[in-house]
Amino acid sequence: QSVLTQPPSVSEAPRQRVTISCSGSSSNIGHNDVSWYQQLPGKAPKLLIYNDDLLPSGVSDRFSGSKSGTSASLAISGLQSEDEADYYCATWDDSLNGPVFGGGTKLTVL
Amino acid sequence: QITLTESGPTLVKPTQTLTLTCTFSGFSLSTNKESVGWIRQPPGKALEWLALIFWDDDQRYRPSLKSRLTVTKDSSKNQVVLTMTNMDPVDTATYFCAHSSSWPSKYFFDDWGQGTRVTVSS
Repeated sequence: QSVLTQPPSVSEAPRQRVTISCSGSSSNIGHNDVSWYQQLPGKAPKLLIYNDDLLPSGVSDRFSGSKSGTSASLAISGLQSEDEADYYCATWDDSLNGPVFGGGTKLTVL
Repeated sequence: QITLTESGPTLVKPTQTLTLTCTFSGFSLSTNKESVGWIRQPPGKALEWLALIFWDDDQRYRPSLKSRLTVTKDSSKNQVVLTMTNMDPVDTATYFCAHSSSWPSKYFFDDWGQGTRVTVSS
């Protein structure tokens, strides 16, 4: 059972937009910045979003992040087949005194 | 450019101690705000944070595993070592090390190693 709750899976057609939610609490998302990671099959996670809504250099601007209260969201626009991956949210948890990850969401591009 | 590489045994027996090494380049673990974390991923499951070590030798551990984990650094060798005692088959996973240069309230891992697969079996 992950501290951060994500839907296990989402699916959408190519060229459409999809959002992935991440729900936490006041000890984590409500008090600290959220990051998002993309994990392609058999690969290491890759940073997609940090500080709630910032994109690292080299990450497509089709990806965007937002946060409100104790929940955060990752949006992917203009879906492409190469976006099929697992996506994880993460943040610092003041109670755990360390980082926490969501349970991951598998994105399928139909 | 930052790189991290995990190394260690691929197979350990139950009750044995696992020792993994993360060898990195492109940053110094003696520099303010730098840290290296260990994260694992059981087959088909989610990422799970295990341990962190900061530039000032501050160490953090996942509470449920704290009694079994030790993380140390050797800044001169650019290495971080994770030891996990009393290994069990449920500890079978891919183990990643990752780099961060952010403060806890804005914490994120910006670079990851490729991971090393560890199987616990007799």
